[in-house]
Amino acid sequence: QITLKESGPTLVKPTQTLTLTCTFSGSSLSTGGVGVGWVRQTPGKALEWLAVIYWDGNKRYRPSLKSRLSITKDTSKNQVVLTLANMDPVDTATYYCVHRPGGSSPRFDFWGQGTLVTVSS
Amino acid sequence: DIQMTQSPSSLSASVGDRVTITCRASQSIRTYLNWYQQKPGKAPELLIYAAAILQGGVPSRFSGGGSGTDFTLTISSLQPEDFATYYCQQTYSIPEDFGGGTRVEVK
Repeated sequence: QITLKESGPTLVKPTQTLTLTCTFSGSSLSTGGVGVGWVRQTPGKALEWLAVIYWDGNKRYRPSLKSRLSITKDTSKNQVVLTLANMDPVDTATYYCVHRPGGSSPRFDFWGQGTLVTVSS
Repeated sequence: DIQMTQSPSSLSASVGDRVTITCRASQSIRTYLNWYQQKPGKAPELLIYAAAILQGGVPSRFSGGGSGTDFTLTISSLQPEDFATYYCQQTYSIPEDFGGGTRVEVK
């Protein structure tokens, strides 16, 4: 069974940088094809794909947020870190860490419980 | 970006009903289409991937179909635990966005 857990601040001020850590178990980013990423859900319930990092170091970012986003991995610790710069109240959302298995059918087969991040002064 | 449009946005149904949800892509995504179920206060869970492949552990009353731009999620006989919100997701191109969701409510 694969489990993922998000950690980080619940409240950030506008213009600050958000740093979220995903710690996972039951999978490894040293396994071919595996990826770990982030999806957020606004209070209005819309889901938004943000970024994915793969076992080989390849990264994919949401184009509209690419200038503000960064995703990195620490394979030895089974951790993935997402940073989102210049936070704005519209970035208030629940942020989910997600697991992508290898293979030819991209999907998120396991999700973390999510962490609510509020942007407010 | 590829736009994903779900319909209806909500529906009311009774236990035992057959329910069909539609997802339409703004351009062809072949069969790069996933379906997720989300219950209140919980993370989404994968139901179906590659348009029609049932994720392990998902009941067989769920089925998916379609290719190109038009897709369906069908629940053959709605059960009490199926009242939830359902989302489609395309994984054909970046950003791999989701539809707006379909909320299935008790009639």
